[in-house]
Amino acid sequence: NAGVTQTPKFRVLKTGQSMTLLCAQDMNHEYMYWYRQDPGMGLRLIHYSVGEGTTAKGEVPDGYNVSRLKKQNFLLGLESAAPSQTSVYFCASKTSGDTGELFFGEGSRLTVL
Amino acid sequence: GQNIDQPTEMTATEGAIVQINCTYQTSGFNGLFWYQQHAGEAPTFLSYNVLDGLEEKGRFSSFLSRSKGYSYLLLKELQMKDSASYLCAVYDSNYQLIWGAGTKLIIKP
Repeated sequence: NAGVTQTPKFRVLKTGQSMTLLCAQDMNHEYMYWYRQDPGMGLRLIHYSVGEGTTAKGEVPDGYNVSRLKKQNFLLGLESAAPSQTSVYFCASKTSGDTGELFFGEGSRLTVL
Repeated sequence: GQNIDQPTEMTATEGAIVQINCTYQTSGFNGLFWYQQHAGEAPTFLSYNVLDGLEEKGRFSSFLSRSKGYSYLLLKELQMKDSASYLCAVYDSNYQLIWGAGTKLIIKP
């Protein structure tokens, strides 16, 4: 089992460019999440999905879009990258239900110049 | 607002015991996690407390007091590989997971 896989692992963008981060999980999990992690701050939720075809906004959704066309994949898009979006992005998944442990991908380090 | 407080950094000696505290102020409570995160890696699950008391798992133990809004993670027989950040997270009344900023633990020989 690969668990949760994120691509790419590293990316450098110029301001205004767009890109998509891909998250894939092979655990048949219903719930998937995108977080960003910045120094001195806790993980902040960008968007999440509770099932195929559904998405919802988290704490910091502005400047990002997501899609969950297939149960195993959760895509995070940056339409017009800004330096404030320089961060490490983590995808996570879990089984359905209100509580439960999150399984994380290895992270994607994005730098916007 | 909702808040989770943890010390920013702690230092301990190999072979010793260290206690990492976490206090939380959230709208409701539905469970508390501890995760370990090595530098440049993903967070990995350590423990989950939903009832008051101590949960022991090998060298690691986690304690919860819901009335005090308080938890701690106890690490015994410290090893160099325990050098990592330790993240505290709480499920609030809406089952949203609120994360602390993490405690960086430095182990010295």
